[in-house]
Amino acid sequence: EPEVTQTPSHQVTQMGQEVILRCVPISNHLYFYWYRQILGQKVEFLVSFYNNEISEKSEIFDDQFSVERPDGSNFTLKIRSTKLEDSAMYFCASSDPAGKNIQYFGAGTRLSVL
Amino acid sequence: GENVEQHPSTLSVQEGDSAVIKCTYSDSASNYFPWYKQELGKRPQLIIDIRSNVGEKKDQRIAVTLNKTAKHFSLHITETQPEDSAVYFCAANQAGTALIFGKGTTLSVSS
Repeated sequence: EPEVTQTPSHQVTQMGQEVILRCVPISNHLYFYWYRQILGQKVEFLVSFYNNEISEKSEIFDDQFSVERPDGSNFTLKIRSTKLEDSAMYFCASSDPAGKNIQYFGAGTRLSVL
Repeated sequence: GENVEQHPSTLSVQEGDSAVIKCTYSDSASNYFPWYKQELGKRPQLIIDIRSNVGEKKDQRIAVTLNKTAKHFSLHITETQPEDSAVYFCAANQAGTALIFGKGTTLSVSS
């Protein structure tokens, strides 16, 4: 069964550093999403991406965040200057264009900002 | 925007009992309501979903009901087993848009 894959599984960084989280969505999917989950809390939407542009973003997704689809398979989330409060699990998800609306989640990247 | 409320936050049942988790949503335009199960340190896994043109859906021991008028939907798990222990999240959205999640329910099934 196809899966959304994310790398790395765990990223440790110093405050103020830039990080790039990588995702490979399911191959025939056209909608891509990033969510985050702070430890013990609910999953929160960050941004969605369709047709090579951001289609929706939350108030969490400020100027420190950016997304990119650099080629036909990868979807990346960049945090330009990490803060302690960026420590969380970051999930990528994708959904298919056939109207079924099911979002499949990757295994996540645990970001630890020290 | 959409807001999803979920109750209870924790639920403890004996093995074999039923468990019910309830969610309400605010945006009448939402038409898709999935339920995700998340085990500790793992990704959210879709266990069942329902669309706004359906009132009830069942898959073995799991069922979901939707009341569009009242804007609430519920997850029902019958004959609970210890492996059902996890955090369950409800969510709501329109096709291709952000899933807005509830705060989660920690279900503990004791044998």
